[in-house]
Amino acid sequence: SQKIEQNSEALNIQEGKTATLTCNYTNYSPAYLQWYRQDPGRGPVFLLLIRENEKEKRKERLKVTFDTTLKQSLFHITASQPADSATYLCALRGWGKFQFGAGTQVVVTP
Amino acid sequence: EAQVTQNPRYLITVTGKKLTVTCSQNMNHEYMSWYRQDPGLGLRQIYYSMNVEVTDKGDVPEGYKVSRKEKRNFPLILESPSPNQTSLYFCASSSPGQGAFFGQGTRLTVV
Repeated sequence: SQKIEQNSEALNIQEGKTATLTCNYTNYSPAYLQWYRQDPGRGPVFLLLIRENEKEKRKERLKVTFDTTLKQSLFHITASQPADSATYLCALRGWGKFQFGAGTQVVVTP
Repeated sequence: EAQVTQNPRYLITVTGKKLTVTCSQNMNHEYMSWYRQDPGLGLRQIYYSMNVEVTDKGDVPEGYKVSRKEKRNFPLILESPSPNQTSLYFCASSSPGQGAFFGQGTRLTVV
């Protein structure tokens, strides 16, 4: 069956450092992978989409890499700020369905 | 403003009493879907629709119905709610190959 795995442990990081999150998947051949941010009690907010033929994508302080051989995506928040504290989800689409990872909580302390 | 609107935001109901959660989007998106989110289980897709009159099951469709008679609307119907359907529900819409827009969420409690 298709599976998406993200680190379940919260990532505690000091302000100004780089946070790196991992998303691993099995039994997918995705055309693209997405990352979302979710705050407690609110709907996920789309951040970045990276296609299978793209190795890296950037948006402001965010960077995503996509290795289809390793079946892995890395999500980086550079120069992290307390406002970046949230849960970050990766998502894949397979055969019409969308599946989300369980998410990794990031806590940025001043 | 581009948005996905769900109603109601909060709902407490009794077991067996039919209910509908509405979802509307103003972005002319083809793809719409419903998710439920439970602690420790993450977001799980209930149903999705790739266009008008085209719907299909997600990973957890039991106990739910949907319809897509118009492009902008995708209601979620619980014909006979049960306590195990107590959850936080999200509707989302997107265009092919683009990120999804999510609604504000509906917190449903079935007693």
